[in-house]
Amino acid sequence: KQEVTQIPAALSVPEGENLVLNCSFTDSAIYNLQWFRQDPGKGLTSLLLIQSSQREQTSGRLNASLDKSSGRSTLYIAASQPGDSATYLCAVSQSGGGADGLTFGKGTHLIIQP
Amino acid sequence: GAGVSQSPSNKVTEKGKDVELRCDPISGHTALYWYRQSLGQGLEFLIYFQGNSAPDKSGLPSDRFSAERTGGSVSTLTIQRTQQEDSAVYLCASSFGVEETQYFGPGTRLLVL
Repeated sequence: KQEVTQIPAALSVPEGENLVLNCSFTDSAIYNLQWFRQDPGKGLTSLLLIQSSQREQTSGRLNASLDKSSGRSTLYIAASQPGDSATYLCAVSQSGGGADGLTFGKGTHLIIQP
Repeated sequence: GAGVSQSPSNKVTEKGKDVELRCDPISGHTALYWYRQSLGQGLEFLIYFQGNSAPDKSGLPSDRFSAERTGGSVSTLTIQRTQQEDSAVYLCASSFGVEETQYFGPGTRLLVL
């Protein structure tokens, strides 16, 4: 059974710093990997999706990388801002047609100090 | 355009009552997913629809849970004889196709007293 782990569980950094969030998964037979953010009391917002054949995806100040063979992904946030404060979730989709849905990590709770 | 919507946004019910949660996916999205987010448990996948069909219902926590989708659009998740452990946020997501980006609704916060 796929397991997704995110490290660290919580992170607090001053505004302006660059930071890296880590995600690892136990079964490398994934179809894709998604990074989401969740604000308190809200649903999930998709940030980036990386197909299993891709190495990285970029959107603005965000860059996500994927090393499928080693079961790792990182989310790099450049020049962090207080508005980046949220919980960041990593999720993988297993090969096989979507019937298993996404398997999520427990998230990294990020606080950017003004 | 409109995103995924869910209703009600909050539901408080007494143990033993039935509840029905509704999800309106993004127009044109053929795939629809239900997840549950419990305190300390993370996000748990419940069921997936492709069109009106759910190929695998084994992710539902118990036989008190059922889900259906009609017209390839709206879906309802029904919990019969609710228990306190059913208290959670129930999230719905839709995607244009299988394995595409999933877009989530705001969730229904269920509290069973």
